[in-house]
Amino acid sequence: AQTIHQWPVAEIKAVGSPLSLGCTIKGKSSPNLYWYWQATGGTLQQLFYSITVGQVESVVQLNLSASRPKDDQFILSTEKLLLSHSGFYLCAGGGEEQYFGPGTRLTVL
Amino acid sequence: GDQVEQSPSALSLHEGTGSALRCNFTTTMRAVQWFRKNSRGSLINLFYLASGTKENGRLKSAFDSKERYSTLHIRDAQLEDSGTYFCAAERGSNYNVLYFGSGTKLTVEP
Repeated sequence: AQTIHQWPVAEIKAVGSPLSLGCTIKGKSSPNLYWYWQATGGTLQQLFYSITVGQVESVVQLNLSASRPKDDQFILSTEKLLLSHSGFYLCAGGGEEQYFGPGTRLTVL
Repeated sequence: GDQVEQSPSALSLHEGTGSALRCNFTTTMRAVQWFRKNSRGSLINLFYLASGTKENGRLKSAFDSKERYSTLHIRDAQLEDSGTYFCAAERGSNYNVLYFGSGTKLTVEP
């Protein structure tokens, strides 16, 4: 069975500071990987997906970027955080069926 | 516009009873997933369907691509079934993009 690990569990950051969130998936070779974001009280929005190493497709633009440096790793980042980046970030992986990681709660002050 | 319309937004059931959650799609979808939100806020997989029905314990889901809907039936509801349930669907043009419903908050009362 595949498992998804996300780090950090939670983060408090200042506006304008950089951010890097990580995600790894174990138990599935060549997985599709996804980043989602949910603002407090909002709906879940898909941000990025990646089918293979080095390739990332953007779904929603939120002044964030994503990279896939390894087959099992997906990174979400930005050089300058905005207040609007606060929320809950979920990484998902799999084939046609997506399985979700535990999430990272981000607070931007 | 919104691709997935989920209803009801909230549902209250007494223990032992049942009901159905529904997602209507504004366009033809290739497959649907049903999730339940856990205490931390992540999503637990319940079902993945490309067609037909699936059953797991007291839960049963159906998906009709042609009629553009999916349902999640809960029977003999238990207190631990309380929580928020989501459907999410993928279009045939790109199954890597999931369109989520807004969720149904289920409360099971004694």
